[in-house]
Amino acid sequence: DTGVSQNPRHKITKRGQNVTFRCDPISEHNRLYWYRQTLGQGPEFLTYFQNEAQLEKSRLLSDRFSAERPKGSFSTLEIQRTEQGDSAMYLCASGDPRGSEKLFFGSGTQLSVL
Amino acid sequence: TQLLEQSPQFLSIQEGENLTVYCNSSSVFSSLQWYRQEPGEGPVLLVTVVTGGEVKKLKRLTFQFGDARKDSSLHITAAQPGDTGLYLCAGAGYGGSQGNLIFGKGTKLSVKP
Repeated sequence: DTGVSQNPRHKITKRGQNVTFRCDPISEHNRLYWYRQTLGQGPEFLTYFQNEAQLEKSRLLSDRFSAERPKGSFSTLEIQRTEQGDSAMYLCASGDPRGSEKLFFGSGTQLSVL
Repeated sequence: TQLLEQSPQFLSIQEGENLTVYCNSSSVFSSLQWYRQEPGEGPVLLVTVVTGGEVKKLKRLTFQFGDARKDSSLHITAAQPGDTGLYLCAGAGYGGSQGNLIFGKGTKLSVKP
């Protein structure tokens, strides 16, 4: 499978716990994005990497959220001290280096905070 | 703040019917994309429109970008149950990073056999 891979697919956690999600983009894509989608809404942009550099962060990304892409390949998104309002689908997308605005999304990680 | 309004929010039709869904904004976008999303999955890109007035066809789907690059429509001819899903439009603004897309809330389409 050469698409965008996200793990885990589902995560249930208790309020206050930390969680980490992983995204493996399409191998030749140097751009990687994290989006969040809640029920009945479209995806909302969280952050963007070009190679290992985090170039843009949304104001939606509070201090409890941190994203990394240490070697410019896979990325992780960590949420510390989870809150019930963090419950959402977390989507990762990658884009090719030719500068196209086309995004290829993974299947997402569905987070439920109890 | 750039917003995209999609209408209708829900649409339930019989197989074989035609339908149009709309995506409107007061802002100008450099390009606009349409995605289809199934439950529990990520959005899948259907088309990107770039030029004002542009029309693109993808089998039974016809996409149009408004002349002023503020709105778009998706028309499906002879809908089939396999067309069921959430249709999302997403705009790329001027000056933003590529891929920092603004999504509408989507139109949830149900096509009954």
